[in-house]
Amino acid sequence: KQEVTQIPAALSVPEGENLVLNCSFTDSAIYNLQWFRQDPGKGLTSLLLIQSSQREQTSGRLNASLDKSSGRSTLYIAASQPGDSATYLCAVRRGTDKLIFGTGTRLQVFP
Amino acid sequence: EAGVTQFPSHSVIEKGQTVTLRCDPISGHDNLYWYRRVMGKEIKFLLHFVKESKQDESGMPNNRFLAERTGGTYSTLKVQPAELEDSGVYFCASSLNRGQETQYFGPGTRLLVL
Repeated sequence: KQEVTQIPAALSVPEGENLVLNCSFTDSAIYNLQWFRQDPGKGLTSLLLIQSSQREQTSGRLNASLDKSSGRSTLYIAASQPGDSATYLCAVRRGTDKLIFGTGTRLQVFP
Repeated sequence: EAGVTQFPSHSVIEKGQTVTLRCDPISGHDNLYWYRRVMGKEIKFLLHFVKESKQDESGMPNNRFLAERTGGTYSTLKVQPAELEDSGVYFCASSLNRGQETQYFGPGTRLLVL
């Protein structure tokens, strides 16, 4: 059974810091891994999708890496801003189309 | 292009009542998914439609939940009768193709059963 864990559960940092959010999964046989952000009371916004054959993806200040063999992914946020405050979720997809989510990391960036 | 929309945004009902949630996927997306998050837990998969057919309904908790997607466009998720433990946020997502595509999520319906 695939389990997805995210560490830390919560993080509070001053503006400008570079951050690393961690996601680990127990079964390395995945098709892809997706990072989302969720703002309070809102839906999920897809940030980055990494296919199983890829090592990393970048979008603006965000960089996600994937190490399938060790069952780990990291989301790197450069020069954090208050607008980055949200809950960040990772989700893996295996042989079926369903996504298996972690419990998320709640990030607060203060000015 | 409109994203995934869900209706209602919030619903408060009493135990034993019936509630129907609606999801309109992104136009042209054949794949439609339902997920939910109950209090304090991670988001969990409920089921997956490809057009009007149920591809995977392994996540449906019990027979009080009925999902339909007549005509392969919008989908409804009915809970009848609702129980207290059904409270949570119900998300709908859609994708163009299966497999390696990004799933796009709606804003969710917040259901509270009293």
